Amino acid sequence: EVRLVESGGGLVQPGGSLTLSCAVSGFTFNDYYIDWIRRPPGKGLEWVGRSRNKANDYSTNYAASVKGRFAVSRDDSRNSLYLHMNSLKSEDSAMYYCARTDINILKDYDYWGQGTLVTVS
Amino acid sequence: QSVLTQPPSASGTPGQRVTISCSGSSSNIESKGVNWYQQLPGTAPKLLIYNNNHRPSGVPDRFSASKSGTSASLAVSGLRSEDEADYYCAAWDVSLGGMLFGGGTKLTVL
Repeated sequence: EVRLVESGGGLVQPGGSLTLSCAVSGFTFNDYYIDWIRRPPGKGLEWVGRSRNKANDYSTNYAASVKGRFAVSRDDSRNSLYLHMNSLKSEDSAMYYCARTDINILKDYDYWGQGTLVTVS
Repeated sequence: QSVLTQPPSASGTPGQRVTISCSGSSSNIESKGVNWYQQLPGTAPKLLIYNNNHRPSGVPDRFSASKSGTSASLAVSGLRSEDEADYYCAAWDVSLGGMLFGGGTKLTVL
């Protein structure tokens, strides 16, 4: 069974830091890209960043709103992805999801985690 | 403000057909595949359509999608009460180097 499980959310003060984790199982982690997507309260979905696999040099992309403050890393040995968030602002408050992309068939986000809530206040 | 534009709301009665539009540009919808997601309250989004018009296994054929130029649309036929949810289009933007989501459309079944 394909699973993605986020953890690490919580309450943090403005200017603070937090690291989210996304643990995956049920599929070959290194065959997929993994993205972070968030949904602020009362708003729509917003893409945060992308982590590509080893075949694509583990390259990353970030939304302009988080570039320079957030960083994605992955540990293939632990089948885990991390979102390191620094200089947090109130507008970063959101439910954060990780989701996988099968780049070979252009299938973005066929599986999502349940989300982890970040509140900056 | 989202670069992909969706109507904020749509509605229909049970059994009707409803369409939701998504307008973008040459750097996203026109050049990349469009995906559609359904998000029910309190749950994670669910993939409905990928790469313009492909349905993942398990998604009913009541859901269909198309794309033309810089616009895409999702159609829901035989509307059911359980279709009441938020719907999002998404496409990679080659200029921005990131995934763009539409602002979302709240579908109400009257």
